[in-house]
Amino acid sequence: AQSVTQPDIHITVSEGASLELRCNYSYGATPYLFWYVQSPGQGLQLLLKYFSGDTLVQGIKGFEAEFKRSQSSFNLRKPSVHWSDAAEYFCAVGTRNYGQNFVFGPGTRLSVLP
Amino acid sequence: DTGVSQDPRHKITKRGQNVTFRCDPISEHNRLYWYRQTLGQGPEFLTYFQNEAQLEKSRLLSDRFSAERPKGSFSTLEIQRTEQGDSAMYLCASSLATGTEKLFFGSGTQLSVL
Repeated sequence: AQSVTQPDIHITVSEGASLELRCNYSYGATPYLFWYVQSPGQGLQLLLKYFSGDTLVQGIKGFEAEFKRSQSSFNLRKPSVHWSDAAEYFCAVGTRNYGQNFVFGPGTRLSVLP
Repeated sequence: DTGVSQDPRHKITKRGQNVTFRCDPISEHNRLYWYRQTLGQGPEFLTYFQNEAQLEKSRLLSDRFSAERPKGSFSTLEIQRTEQGDSAMYLCASSLATGTEKLFFGSGTQLSVL
């Protein structure tokens, strides 16, 4: 069964600084990979996804992520963080993007300092 | 697109009582999903429907949990004989069945079992 780890429970960055959130997965084949964001009191929103092809994917709100098969990683990056990016970020992996074979990581909470 | 709606936003109940939550998906979406999220964890899959058919249930789902989607539109999730361990955020999501669909999440129902 697949699993997802997000090593950082909580990250604090200053506004304007760059950001990288780590995601590692365990899966026997190339999975579908996703990043979702959850703001307080809001539902999860899809930032970006990887199914195949170019391993660097662009998402909404200026985020990007890179799939590295050799490292089983799918890290999320943003060159310059805005205060509105403060939220919980979830990496997810699966053979498809739903069902019990689609697993979310525990999340990384991002705080942004003014 | 009015988004995914969930009702109620909050529910407080006593142990042993039954509770029912409602989810109204985006109107043209034929897939509907239920997830559970506890503090510090990512969403955990419970079940999903395609139209009115319940196609998959989590292997971990207790038989005290039941979900319906009688007309392929809104869905209800019922928990019978609630336990304190059922306290969590219950999330609903919907999507179009395209194979690479994007999940749209509601804001959730926060259940507290006293």
